[in-house]
Amino acid sequence: QSALTQPASVSGSPGQSITISCTGTSSDVAAYNYVSWYQQLPGQAPKLMVYEVNNRPSGVSHRFSASKSGNTASLTISGLQAEDEADYYCSSYTNSIWVFGGGTKLTVL
Amino acid sequence: QVQLQESGPGLVKPSETLSLTCTVSGGSISNYFWSWIRQSPGKGLEWVAYLYYTGSTNYNPSLKSRATISIDTSKNQFSLKVKSVTAADTAVYFCARRDYSRYYFDSWGQGTLVTVSS
Repeated sequence: QSALTQPASVSGSPGQSITISCTGTSSDVAAYNYVSWYQQLPGQAPKLMVYEVNNRPSGVSHRFSASKSGNTASLTISGLQAEDEADYYCSSYTNSIWVFGGGTKLTVL
Repeated sequence: QVQLQESGPGLVKPSETLSLTCTVSGGSISNYFWSWIRQSPGKGLEWVAYLYYTGSTNYNPSLKSRATISIDTSKNQFSLKVKSVTAADTAVYFCARRDYSRYYFDSWGQGTLVTVSS
């Protein structure tokens, strides 16, 4: 069982928006603004998509946005494209260690 | 642009020690934190350990002191050893970089699969 809870799967049609939730506790997600999101394509390494709750690294599409409220963080992908189909993981720093969610498989219909 | 490459045996016997090395190229190993993160087949990610180039370290308590992370700055490499392995240690092991005072992993290796089996 992963430390952070994510839905196992979400799906959407091209052009639509989807949101992936990531629920932690008062010790991790709620306690620090150090939530990050990673995209993992099949057979590849995770790629940083969002850091420190809602910041995008250079080169990441503006279609990716994120937020946090209490012990739940969220990643929203707008204008879904076929290339967005991947596994998405959230992560939070907590007390000198990092915890991850179990991952959410995004299917673009 | 920095590149990370994991290397090590793909098969380890139960109760033996898993040993992996991450080679950093295209940048210095100094002034960064370096981590190992693993992913069991079909499952999520698990942070294993980190070290700073000065040698300070920290570990995931779930490994119960079985893991040791070390660095060789002269070779731009860092390593992971996990002793007394079981099937539960079977995973793809990724090495990853974290910038000082940042709390996310901005560069990752491609990962290497380690299977624990007799």
